[in-house]
Amino acid sequence: DVKVTQSSRYLVKRTGEKVFLECVQDMDHENMFWYRQDPGLGLRLIYFSYDVKMKEKGDIPEGYSVSREKKERFSLILESASTNQTSMYLCASRRAGGAYEQYFGPGTRLTVT
Amino acid sequence: DQQVKQNSPSLSVQEGRISILNCDYTNSMFDYFLWYKKYPAEGPTFLISISSIKDKNEDGRFTVFLNKSAKHLSLHIVPSQPGDSAVYFCAAPLQGNMLTFGGGTRLMVKP
Repeated sequence: DVKVTQSSRYLVKRTGEKVFLECVQDMDHENMFWYRQDPGLGLRLIYFSYDVKMKEKGDIPEGYSVSREKKERFSLILESASTNQTSMYLCASRRAGGAYEQYFGPGTRLTVT
Repeated sequence: DQQVKQNSPSLSVQEGRISILNCDYTNSMFDYFLWYKKYPAEGPTFLISISSIKDKNEDGRFTVFLNKSAKHLSLHIVPSQPGDSAVYFCAAPLQGNMLTFGGGTRLMVKP
């Protein structure tokens, strides 16, 4: 079974703080993704990475950056957290060239106060 | 603009009855569709998919129907069980690597 883990289930941060969200997958997948989920808006793609050190912007990259130094790990960085970044953050991975299905981690509920 | 839309934010059904969740799309180039299920405080899990060369795919209690002319797909759950209560997302591949998701429908199955 594919396993995707995220470093925290719940986080509370203050406005202006730098926030790191970590994601690790154990299936040697090339593709990794960061989404945020908000009620009524579904899952919106923030960034994805198709290989180590490679990244592409998704639909809502503003205010975020990412890092992929190792194949199994994909980090999402909020440079200066704002209250409108309060959300559920979901990481996913997928084997390149394989089936379309992505495998998700359990999510991190981030609250910015 | 969302290319995949779920117009019903919520649906309530009685245990044992059929649940029908709907999804519309605007991009006629989509050739594959997926349904995900999400419980609170958990990540989405893949449920069932369908290729555009088919109009139906069945897996146990779950069946997905695709109507290409109407750009519409639906997920049928028969019989519905309380454990099916969750948020359901439809999705389609975009540019190969990425998926675009609908807004989700919250299904509540009452005992």
